[in-house]
Amino acid sequence: DIQMTQSPSSLSASVGDRVTITCRASQSIGSYLNWYQQKPGKAPELLIYTASSLQSGVPARFSGSGSGTDFALSISSLQPEDFATYYCHQISSAPWTFGQGTKVEFK
Amino acid sequence: QVTLKESGPVLVKPTETLTLTCTVSGFSLSNVRMSVSWLRQPPGKALEWLAHIFSNDEKSYSTSLKTRLTISKDTSKSQVVLTMTNMDPVDTATYYCARTLIRGYAMDVWGQGTTVTVSS
Repeated sequence: DIQMTQSPSSLSASVGDRVTITCRASQSIGSYLNWYQQKPGKAPELLIYTASSLQSGVPARFSGSGSGTDFALSISSLQPEDFATYYCHQISSAPWTFGQGTKVEFK
Repeated sequence: QVTLKESGPVLVKPTETLTLTCTVSGFSLSNVRMSVSWLRQPPGKALEWLAHIFSNDEKSYSTSLKTRLTISKDTSKSQVVLTMTNMDPVDTATYYCARTLIRGYAMDVWGQGTTVTVSS
């Protein structure tokens, strides 16, 4: 199985900060990586698909980059509604696997 | 409007078989551009992908749970069913189904989730 490692596991930030979360795959997955946001008690929501494509309706402050084994999710200017947990998800080969999550908290 | 809704027991006993149903609306399970995944999330832990079924009935499963899982669909009823045998307390989790687009296998619409507790 392909292992996905996110870093950091958690971070503290303020409104307006630029935040970057990284995700590393244990082997090359091309651009087959999606990012999700999850708020407490809610189902995850799709943010980015195929590494860098912004899902319809998602604010442009979210962006994704990377290919192969190293990927990043960036939030250009953190907003109050962005405090949540973020997951990367590889869909290059079954079994599909998630990172362990990155929790973005108020500083 | 696309919706998915999970249903099933809230409580199951160890060794029992869990059967969960995902009822979809707003799209067809025969649409070749769409498919359905099942995932779960134990309390306070990360998401875990369990199984997936395509419109052509092709299926894939989590490696670690493969021997215990079966996914199937009834297109006429707009339902996808997941069964998990030999339930254990570690299987206590919120179980989600999600529409999965063939484009990037992106899970673009999720159900609200259903919480299953395994306890005697």
